[in-house]
Amino acid sequence: QQPVQSPQAVILREGEDAVINCSSSKALYSVHWYRQKHGEAPVFLMILLKGGEQKGHEKISASFNEKKQQSSLYLTASQLSYSGTYFCGTVSRLGDMRFGAGTRLTVKP
Amino acid sequence: DAGVIQSPRHEVTEMGQEVTLRCKPISGHDYLFWYRQTMMRGLELLIYFNNNVPIDDSGMPEDRFSAKMPNASFSNLKIQPSEPRDSAVYFCASSTQWGDSRINTQYFGPGTRLTVL
Repeated sequence: QQPVQSPQAVILREGEDAVINCSSSKALYSVHWYRQKHGEAPVFLMILLKGGEQKGHEKISASFNEKKQQSSLYLTASQLSYSGTYFCGTVSRLGDMRFGAGTRLTVKP
Repeated sequence: DAGVIQSPRHEVTEMGQEVTLRCKPISGHDYLFWYRQTMMRGLELLIYFNNNVPIDDSGMPEDRFSAKMPNASFSNLKIQPSEPRDSAVYFCASSTQWGDSRINTQYFGPGTRLTVL
């Protein structure tokens, strides 16, 4: 089954923060986050492997709650370059991978 | 490293014709994935291979779709016969594996935009 992402879309002003959530009905081994800009391929952001693990890249970070089978992506002090569609990809303990439907993020000046 | 290579980048064909999409994964990667992306359905996993063997093809929409990976450096996805509803962007991605065979970061190719008239 496909993981569920929320919200479906969010509009921010530059400098504002956002949180994107991803939840799965399956026990997860890892969660991957990707960003896709219009007309381009998805690009890897980060991967989380352990329950409770948090990783960050510049002002984008993520957490993984293994027990709740959830992950959240945090975008702090958003920049125009953050605009795009964010996908979570979940890898279950059986090894299969599925992507969420995506969250469209728009950052306005 | 050239990254994942897909060809053609654009394909326009007529309904009923056979379409072949090609992918060259990153050298040394053990996993290869085929995805389809549309506005309506988002990013869908069609099939993936591990060490050239198809592992999960449950996403292949119907018998008109087939995929092969004859060797570690090449895969193709065929649609025969093609239909207008097959119009989409098709991505190929490749990945390495962790020591316990879990899927690592995926690197996507630029995609093939297919239009079936």
